[in-house]
Amino acid sequence: NAGVMQNPRHLVRRRGQEARLRCSPVKGHSHVYWYRQLPEEGLKFMVYLQKENIIDESGMPKERFSAEFPKEGPSILRIQQVVRGDSAAYFCASSPINTVPGNTIYFGEGSWLTVV
Amino acid sequence: QKEVEQDPGPLSVPEGAIVSLNCTYSNSAFQYFMWYRQYSRKGPELLMYTYSSGNKEDGRFTAQVDKSSKYISLFIRDSQPSDSATYLCAMSAFEGAQKLVFGQGTRLTINP
Repeated sequence: NAGVMQNPRHLVRRRGQEARLRCSPVKGHSHVYWYRQLPEEGLKFMVYLQKENIIDESGMPKERFSAEFPKEGPSILRIQQVVRGDSAAYFCASSPINTVPGNTIYFGEGSWLTVV
Repeated sequence: QKEVEQDPGPLSVPEGAIVSLNCTYSNSAFQYFMWYRQYSRKGPELLMYTYSSGNKEDGRFTAQVDKSSKYISLFIRDSQPSDSATYLCAMSAFEGAQKLVFGQGTRLTINP
């Protein structure tokens, strides 16, 4: 998981505030994935992006959540009007443009969101 | 029913023991199977990656996939206290491990 940088590592928000989580992929990787890990659960896929393009957002909640991966800069996962149930670890991962068997995605260290 | 089932444990074994971790799944489209290790408050770290059925060995770790039974296993030989972590199985129908489906994770403790 070396190279995928996430910040902030820990974030505390009050109910109703906005949370912005940032992810810088491994240098040269143009595919970014966001996963959420609720307490005592495995990771759940949220969204898959390429530069300036959302490829698959089938795991994103319909409301309040959005993601982007601009041409320049990190990928952003944005949660508006946070609720206690949004408290979780959010992991970003990246992969090279041409994925082949055995070459898989690399996870960052995660951003832990606590909603109070 | 979850797509991937994994016993959350906790599992506690003495140092040097052989550890067996398992997952079952229901989606026959899964072709790529992975095991990740996750230390507390850290990101998942890939341990093993297997395509389709068969065995794969890497040092003290062996991964087995039985697609006919929809059952995968990870064996850890000569377990060490540093192996204490949560182990997550993951699988995907897509090449390159896009859109992974994870098990709940098994919390493992190796006692010195």
